[in-house]
Amino acid sequence: QKEVEQDPGPLSVPEGAIVSLNCTYSNSAFQYFMWYRQYSRKGPELLMYTYSSGNKEDGRFTAQVDKSSKYISLFIRDSQPSDSATYLCAVSIQGAQKLVFGQGTRLTINP
Amino acid sequence: DGGITQSPKYLFRKEGQNVTLSCEQNLNHDAMYWYRQDPGQGLRLIYYSQIVNDFQKGDIAEGYSVSREKKESFPLTVTSAQKNPTAFYLCASTHRGSYNYGYTFGSGTRLTVV
Repeated sequence: QKEVEQDPGPLSVPEGAIVSLNCTYSNSAFQYFMWYRQYSRKGPELLMYTYSSGNKEDGRFTAQVDKSSKYISLFIRDSQPSDSATYLCAVSIQGAQKLVFGQGTRLTINP
Repeated sequence: DGGITQSPKYLFRKEGQNVTLSCEQNLNHDAMYWYRQDPGQGLRLIYYSQIVNDFQKGDIAEGYSVSREKKESFPLTVTSAQKNPTAFYLCASTHRGSYNYGYTFGSGTRLTVV
């Protein structure tokens, strides 16, 4: 079993829709949760960072962590064509020297 | 501007040939990482280094080698022992002790075997 599971998609939605991207993880010791956005042929860029459980909002983006279910989500409101990218979740343990990444979900927002 | 520079952007390798991918950062980060990305498989860790002259194998180190002679540089050599090297290679860095807060990535090198 992989430490982090993420549906690779692809996911295609119309402009303006609410998008939900999800990951599940197996190790309850994970405390740090991140979402990266990666445009085609580019390196990933850090989009959202969350520690422990709860929600974090940044503009149209909301990151949610449910540690009881070992489930993390990224919501995109009022989605735009410029949001079309691959979204990667990443998790980490306190003191660990490396992140664990999900497979990435390829998202397309259609005008 | 601070950042990570990977070169070249595209690289072609003949069978049996070793090639070296460059990664340079001016962020004064201690830790540097090399990942391989294949479609549908996410990022897989090849090697990482926390300090100069020290590095550790990641999950898929076979067929690869690295060096860390300078803090700002972490080159990756793809050797002829790597049987399926065609992939997108990403270099990343972060401050030592800040692993939990995310990495900064370079723009990647796309390696193709011809």
